[in-house]
Amino acid sequence: ETTLTQSPAFVSATPGDKVNISCKASQDIDDDVNWYQQRPGEPSIFIIRDASSLVLGIPPRFSGSGYGTDFTLTINNIESEDAAYYFCLQHDNFPLTFGQGTKVEIK
Amino acid sequence: EVQLVESGGGLVQPGGSLRLSCAASGFPFNNYAMNWVRQAPGKGLEWISYISRNSNYIHYADSVKGRFTISRDNANNSLFLQMNSLRDEDTAVYYCARDLSDSSGYSDGMDVWGLGSTVTVSS
Repeated sequence: ETTLTQSPAFVSATPGDKVNISCKASQDIDDDVNWYQQRPGEPSIFIIRDASSLVLGIPPRFSGSGYGTDFTLTINNIESEDAAYYFCLQHDNFPLTFGQGTKVEIK
Repeated sequence: EVQLVESGGGLVQPGGSLRLSCAASGFPFNNYAMNWVRQAPGKGLEWISYISRNSNYIHYADSVKGRFTISRDNANNSLFLQMNSLRDEDTAVYYCARDLSDSSGYSDGMDVWGLGSTVTVSS
């Protein structure tokens, strides 16, 4: 089973800041990582596919990078609407596994 | 509009059973594999089951294997999760999620999620 270690658990940012969220895999999973955004009362939103591909309709301030075991979600020029819970998912092998999640607060 | 709507959650005693449903709309349901994912209170997300488009490939997390059964009805655009021998630790919000993969038996992760259905296991 592939364990994903996501950090930090919480980040507080000011509008305009750059935020990085890390996801580290316990084994090589190529680029088989997706990133999601979850807001209370709303369905989770798919934002990054296969480590670095921005999903259609997602603002370009979101980006992803990484390969193998280390992955990063970056939010540039963060906006108030980006306040949410973010999580990574590995789909390289079953069981699919998630990172523990990061809560992003906007001051 | 692509949509997934879960139903069937509720309060059940330990050892009891519950059947969750997920109604899909806005896309050709029989073209997509599907997943169930859950989130216990204050915890992260846990994938629990996958079913391929034609039900030929099914995977379960060890935590539910032998107790939960995933199934689908392509004619009625519906996904199901039969949950038996429920335990306190099964208390969670259960989400159905569409899989990106077009290859049977494999997952490319999820692209569409429902709002979830709450299951509470308690005496």
